[in-house]
Amino acid sequence: DQQVKQNSPSLSVQEGRISILNCDYTNSMFDYFLWYKKYPAEGPTFLISISSIKDKNEDGRFTVFLNKSAKHLSLHIVPSQPGDSAVYFCAASEGRNTPLVFGKGTRLSVIA
Amino acid sequence: DSGVTQTPKHLITATGQRVTLRCSPRSGDLSVYWYQQSLDQGLQFLIQYYNGEERAKGNILERFSAQQFPDLHSELNLSSLELGDSALYFCASSQSGRIDEQFFGPGTRLTVL
Repeated sequence: DQQVKQNSPSLSVQEGRISILNCDYTNSMFDYFLWYKKYPAEGPTFLISISSIKDKNEDGRFTVFLNKSAKHLSLHIVPSQPGDSAVYFCAASEGRNTPLVFGKGTRLSVIA
Repeated sequence: DSGVTQTPKHLITATGQRVTLRCSPRSGDLSVYWYQQSLDQGLQFLIQYYNGEERAKGNILERFSAQQFPDLHSELNLSSLELGDSALYFCASSQSGRIDEQFFGPGTRLTVL
């Protein structure tokens, strides 16, 4: 039973346009959400996070939106760049000191 | 480079065997986490250590065990290996145990034949 779901295995976007990656969760106890980016042959790297008391968090070109009633979050990347091509993992936890639960990832391809 | 090192990078072994994966955390980090990423799966949390003590346990099989040593490096031992244990194994470290401070190593790819 997957508690964190990324239903799109892949996404292709043109350079300069917006990339929107989606994530759904089922556990209502989750209150902290993170996005990680992973390049081939490397470990995941932390990108951006949001706690359940917020509905939006921005960091440069990256914005995460949280809709608690729908148990849905999304990562917006704008403008998308070829270097953003990677696998993006959504993760959630019941607190900042509890283990993360990851989705299966979405492979983003940004086409020049 | 995250500062977390994992050895070996690749490991090929046979069913029934036992292997040890090693992780050295970033300097100053007290907490180590182990994750398994099987084909087409997200990262599955296995176990967390903090300053030598087990702090949290996930879906870690009884055939798997881990420990964190006084110098803070950690080892994940996998025994009676099965084909389904073939996966990428990641180690991550954080200074205080906060999940938003985790830095991941490059992973060890285990292939069980």
